[in-house]
Amino acid sequence: EVQLVESGGVLVQPGRSMKLSCAASGFTFSSFPMAWVRQAPTKGLEWVATISTSGGSTYYRDSVKGRFTISRDNAKSTLYLQMDSLRSEDTATYYCTRETYYGYNFDYWGQGVMVTVSS
Amino acid sequence: DVVMTQTPVSLSVSLGGQVSISCRSSQSLVHNNGNTYLSWYLQKPGQSPQLLIYKVSNRFSGISDRFSGSGSGTDFTLKISRVEPDDLGVYYCGQGTQYPRTFGGGTKLELK
Repeated sequence: EVQLVESGGVLVQPGRSMKLSCAASGFTFSSFPMAWVRQAPTKGLEWVATISTSGGSTYYRDSVKGRFTISRDNAKSTLYLQMDSLRSEDTATYYCTRETYYGYNFDYWGQGVMVTVSS
Repeated sequence: DVVMTQTPVSLSVSLGGQVSISCRSSQSLVHNNGNTYLSWYLQKPGQSPQLLIYKVSNRFSGISDRFSGSGSGTDFTLKISRVEPDDLGVYYCGQGTQYPRTFGGGTKLELK
């Protein structure tokens, strides 16, 4: 069974940093691109970033480029999101997702972790 | 960026009924490789989103045949037949043809 378990969410002040982790199991982690998708309170889904299988290619939405860094450790089957210079508009539930080659979609999602940016 | 527009924003349905949700993209979703990467997701209350349909009309593993997707280019539709209580929630379309990946604003399906 595919499982994605996020951790690291908490309350943080504007301008500070936070790192999210996602532990994956039930599939060959190194064979799939991975992504983070977020959802602000009462809002819709917003893609944040994607990383290729090797980690050699990364893609970001413009609003987080230069502030967020997606990375992965295939030996540990773990996905990360380093978030720097956090803003109030980054407040959201962050979902770890598996991105597929067959549909360029997100076929499995974690339970999500809440990140609140507030003073 | 590809803008995804869903209509309606909300929908009321009776159990056993049928509904359709529309999704339009601001650009063609046909990829250079000829595939069209349009997906549908359902977010049930208090849960994470789940994949229903990928590449316009392919049902994901374990998804009932009551869900069907159709469309091409920039115009897509999700149909749900014989609606059950477990179908209620917010439906999102999403495109994977180009970065940034984008989603529609969502359609809330409620009981009449």
